[in-house]
Amino acid sequence: GESVGLHLPTLSVQEGDNSIINCAYSNSASDYFIWYKQESGKGPQFIIDIRSNMDKRQGQRVTVLLNKTVKHLSLQIAATQPGDSAVYFCAESLYSGGGADGLTFGKGTHLIIQP
Amino acid sequence: KAGVTQTPRYLIKTRGQQVTLSCSPISGHRSVSWYQQTPGQGLQFLFEYFSETQRNKGNFPGRFSGRQFSNSRSEMNVSTLELGDSALYLCASSLQGAEETQYFGPGTRLLVL
Repeated sequence: GESVGLHLPTLSVQEGDNSIINCAYSNSASDYFIWYKQESGKGPQFIIDIRSNMDKRQGQRVTVLLNKTVKHLSLQIAATQPGDSAVYFCAESLYSGGGADGLTFGKGTHLIIQP
Repeated sequence: KAGVTQTPRYLIKTRGQQVTLSCSPISGHRSVSWYQQTPGQGLQFLFEYFSETQRNKGNFPGRFSGRQFSNSRSEMNVSTLELGDSALYLCASSLQGAEETQYFGPGTRLLVL
C-alpha cells in the first residue's frame, strides 16, 4: 500500500545550525500533512501541520514546505538546540469524506544534536 | 487543559492472554484513534472511534478491537496475545478526526512473554 517515507534514518547536526528533515509521500490524494517529534519514552508531539492548498507554513523556529509536484515534504528547524534531539515523523491523512482515515506515518528520522 | 492520558503505562502479559488498554482524550475531543508502534513496522493505524462508533479501521486482525464510551473515553482490547503484539500502543485524540491535528498520549508499553 501507499505510505509516507523518510529519506534518512539518522541526521546529525551541530548545535546552532539549521536542520532539514525530508519526507517523500506517495499518495497524491493526501490533503493534510503533519510533523511529529517523539522523544524517548514519550508519545509523538505535534510540531506543525500543512494542508495541500498551501506550500509553506511557519511556526516558532520551524517551517514546513510542501512540494506537491514531486510529493515531497520537509521540516526545517532553525538554530537547532539540544532539546530538539528526537525522532521526527512525517504523517499524511487522506480525507475520505466519511471521516478521515488514520494517519499514515513515515519511518522516522533520528535527529542528533552535536555540541 | 489536560492532555491525552493512557493507562496503564506498562504491562506484561503472556501468550494467549488478553489485555485491555484505556485512553482518556483531551476534554472536548470526540475522535479517538489508536496506533501500534514497533521498531520494525513503525507507527501503524489500528482504528478510530467517533461518537461511540468505529469509523475507520487499519489492517489488523480481528483480535484487536476497541470501543468508545459516551464521555469519549476509549478502550482497546487485544485477545489471544501473540509475541508479536509486544509494542507501544498509542492513543490520539482530536476534535473531529484525522483530517485535523491529533494529539497523542504517552502510550502503553505492552510486553508479551
